[in-house]
Amino acid sequence: QKEVEQNSGPLSVPEGAIASLNCTYSDRVSQSFFWYRQYSGKSPELIMSIYSNGDKEDGRFTAQLNKASQYVSLLIRDSQPSDSATYLCAVNEGWAGNQFYFGTGTSLTVIP
Amino acid sequence: DTGVSQDPRHKITKRGQNVTFRCDPISEHNRLYWYRQTLGQGPEFLTYFQNEAQLEKSRLLSDRFSAERPKGSFSTLEIQRTEQGDSAMYLCASSLGTGGERMTDTQYFGPGTRLTVL
Repeated sequence: QKEVEQNSGPLSVPEGAIASLNCTYSDRVSQSFFWYRQYSGKSPELIMSIYSNGDKEDGRFTAQLNKASQYVSLLIRDSQPSDSATYLCAVNEGWAGNQFYFGTGTSLTVIP
Repeated sequence: DTGVSQDPRHKITKRGQNVTFRCDPISEHNRLYWYRQTLGQGPEFLTYFQNEAQLEKSRLLSDRFSAERPKGSFSTLEIQRTEQGDSAMYLCASSLGTGGERMTDTQYFGPGTRLTVL
């Protein structure tokens, strides 16, 4: 059973702070990694994708990938109350298969 | 709005009834996925299509579940003899799908269909 693990939280940060969300995965052949944001009652919305080791920045969001440690993280700088949501980590095997595996999500609350 | 649409958005049914959901993917996307999500959980993979071919099915997909994607466009997910445990959000996602030896892919989700089985 391939697993994607996330701390369910809740994680609370004050407005303007950096929120750090973490994810580990069990399958070493995983090739593609994604962060989705999901507001209550809504469907997941893609924030970032990352495929190579290192950092990838997009606006206030930075994804970090370390394949040797099987670890992917998401940093949200200058957190805003509108960032309050559940953040889902997803991994995909790429050429070895095409299933996507999701974690249970981390609930983030940004306190004004 | 990602361009993936699902219909209906909400469905309430009685146990034992059959229900059918529809998903229209982004037009140029050749891959289509169905997921089920319950409260407090991440999306659980049910099945996926490459064009009209159903390539993978999760063991979660019992014989009561069937999915089709005729002509590789829209897809339907049918649940027969619904049970209370089928109550969940059913999500559809589509992706372009890149070819070649190394495939990277990004999924875009529709708004989901919330099923309540009484």
